[in-house]
Amino acid sequence: EAQVTQNPRYLITVTGKKLTVTCSQNMNHEYMSWYRQDPGLGLRQIYYSMNVEVTDKGDVPEGYKVSRKEKRNFPLILESPSPNQTSLYFCASSPGGSSTNEKLFFGSGTQLSVL
Amino acid sequence: GIQVEQSPPDLILQEGANSTLRCNFSDSVNNLQWFHQNPWGQLINLFYIPSGTKQNGRLSATTVATERYSLLYISSSQTTDSGVYFCAVGDFNKFYFGSGTKLNVKP
Repeated sequence: EAQVTQNPRYLITVTGKKLTVTCSQNMNHEYMSWYRQDPGLGLRQIYYSMNVEVTDKGDVPEGYKVSRKEKRNFPLILESPSPNQTSLYFCASSPGGSSTNEKLFFGSGTQLSVL
Repeated sequence: GIQVEQSPPDLILQEGANSTLRCNFSDSVNNLQWFHQNPWGQLINLFYIPSGTKQNGRLSATTVATERYSLLYISSSQTTDSGVYFCAVGDFNKFYFGSGTKLNVKP
């Protein structure tokens, strides 16, 4: 089944403790991206990747890191989480970027709470 | 970045009613999509529609790119249509989302 898989689904951590949220897609998509969803703000793009070893900042990249060492995986790293990073996070993939006529496919989301 | 405004922010319908959701965006875009976020948080892609009109069952969408807006039509609404509807626009591989329209369809 074609899908985008995020783990974990829920995560509670403490300020400053490094964490990684994993994202994997099995559709051989070139484009992957991360978003955070906060009440009243919709989704905001954190980082995106056009291909292996090619990443770029979205609208809200501060406090986050990403890597794209393999085509299928695009982990989101919070090296020193803070309470203002408490949010619902989504990973998405697409065959190409926004310049192609392709849809975004989303994972199920990761609810992160930073205490 | 591109500003995306959706209206109305909230909508309550009786089952069977029709509705129109609107998405305005501030600049030309090469990608526009509509999503439904169900009550369990899942984001489902409804339409890829940077211009023109598409229909899928009871849902249809129209984008007038020259006037920078898109409309999502829901006909004969059902309780399963409840959730939040998001419009997203893309430009140079960045995507920008509106804050959504929260739809509640009552039986």
